[in-house]
Amino acid sequence: AQKVTQAQTEISVVEKEDVTLDCVYETRDTTYYLFWYKQPPSGELVFLIRRNSFDEQNEISGRYSWNFQKSTSSFNFTITASQVVDSAVYFCALSERGFQKLVFGTGTRLLVSP
Amino acid sequence: EAQVTQNPRYLITVTGKKLTVTCSQNMNHEYMSWYRQDPGLGLRQIYYSMNVEVTDKGDVPEGYKVSRKEKRNFPLILESPSPNQTSLYFCASSFSAGTDYGYTFGSGTRLTVV
Repeated sequence: AQKVTQAQTEISVVEKEDVTLDCVYETRDTTYYLFWYKQPPSGELVFLIRRNSFDEQNEISGRYSWNFQKSTSSFNFTITASQVVDSAVYFCALSERGFQKLVFGTGTRLLVSP
Repeated sequence: EAQVTQNPRYLITVTGKKLTVTCSQNMNHEYMSWYRQDPGLGLRQIYYSMNVEVTDKGDVPEGYKVSRKEKRNFPLILESPSPNQTSLYFCASSFSAGTDYGYTFGSGTRLTVV
């Protein structure tokens, strides 16, 4: 069964704080792909990262970093020195080899206050 | 520019009045899919298509129809909309689902059925 759990419904931080968004997934396959998307108030989905199951290297892109740990089935997302523009809903998603869909978590709403 | 174009962006309609949400991609992608987003539920797949004339149900297909007569277009049809279909809809495409290829999403269609 494929499942993505984002246990944090909403997180509020003050600008410049670091924040980590948790993502735990379930899959029976050994080949799968994990994604993070950002949904700003305007509503569109902005692709942030894709990671395949064979690449456990952590990734950093500017203030964003991702920690992929197969041992705990987690793919957490950290924003360093958060900014007001980071306020959005963030979705983690899973795609399994041969399956014709993305399975999304329920999203985490991040509110960054000035 | 490579993109998925959905129309309209916003739509308010009345119960029972047939409507079509269009989706078009210019990337020659074989795979296309529709998702709906509801608060607390994340995004859920409605229908998908692996290629022209090949469509299949996703997780929440009731009340929807689709067609794939051309590779670039994948319209979502609500023959008799009901208020529980009020939602934010996304069309997505990919060169190949369930692989290392990513997904491209449209900008979303916010539908209100009164």
